[in-house]
Amino acid sequence: QVQLVQSGSEVKKPGASVKVSCKASGYIFTNYYMHWVRQAPGKGLEWMGKINPSGGSTSFAQKFQGRLTLTRDTSTSTVHMEMSSLTSDDTAVYFCARDEGIAVAKHYFDNWGQGTQVSVSS
Amino acid sequence: SYELTQPPSVSVSPGQTANITCSGNYLTEKYAFWYQQKSGQSPVLVIFQDTKRPSKIPARFSGSNSGNTATLTIIGTQAMDEADYYCQAWDFTSVVFGGGTRLTVL
Repeated sequence: QVQLVQSGSEVKKPGASVKVSCKASGYIFTNYYMHWVRQAPGKGLEWMGKINPSGGSTSFAQKFQGRLTLTRDTSTSTVHMEMSSLTSDDTAVYFCARDEGIAVAKHYFDNWGQGTQVSVSS
Repeated sequence: SYELTQPPSVSVSPGQTANITCSGNYLTEKYAFWYQQKSGQSPVLVIFQDTKRPSKIPARFSGSNSGNTATLTIIGTQAMDEADYYCQAWDFTSVVFGGGTRLTVL
């Protein structure tokens, strides 16, 4: 069965960067886009961007352009999300979510990671 | 940027029907998706492509999309359905989520 296992919680200071990983198993890693979605405390879901694990191409929500980097390691079936210049507004739970389209993104998600808490505080 | 609007809260009595709406410009021309999120858990897809239900989702969940409003309907609502529900669409550049609706079963 499909499993997405994320790395553990992080505590960062303002201005720092954070890198969160999402290890996939149970399917052909390069066949499905991976997305990142975050949720601030008590708030709704916010889409951040996506990566095509096959070629590594990425696309980001305008809000995160220039501050968000998505990479993948096909040897370990892992996607990494790195965000720089953190502020307290970036305190949130970060989820990876697998796209349901095969080779072509369909932009909806039936498999989610467990979430990673990122806290930004001085 | 594209926006989806949901009511912040909906209340329903056990066994009754709950309707949660999601409105957006030209939403009828896109697919709507719905997720259930219980406290402290990851979201779960309950409806995809307007009306389709994943095999693991109970038949009491259904969806529709017309008149630029997508609707998630739960017939015979159970206490276990109490959760936050989010609609979602793709506007060709970004995935967009509605603000979420808290469903209370009382």
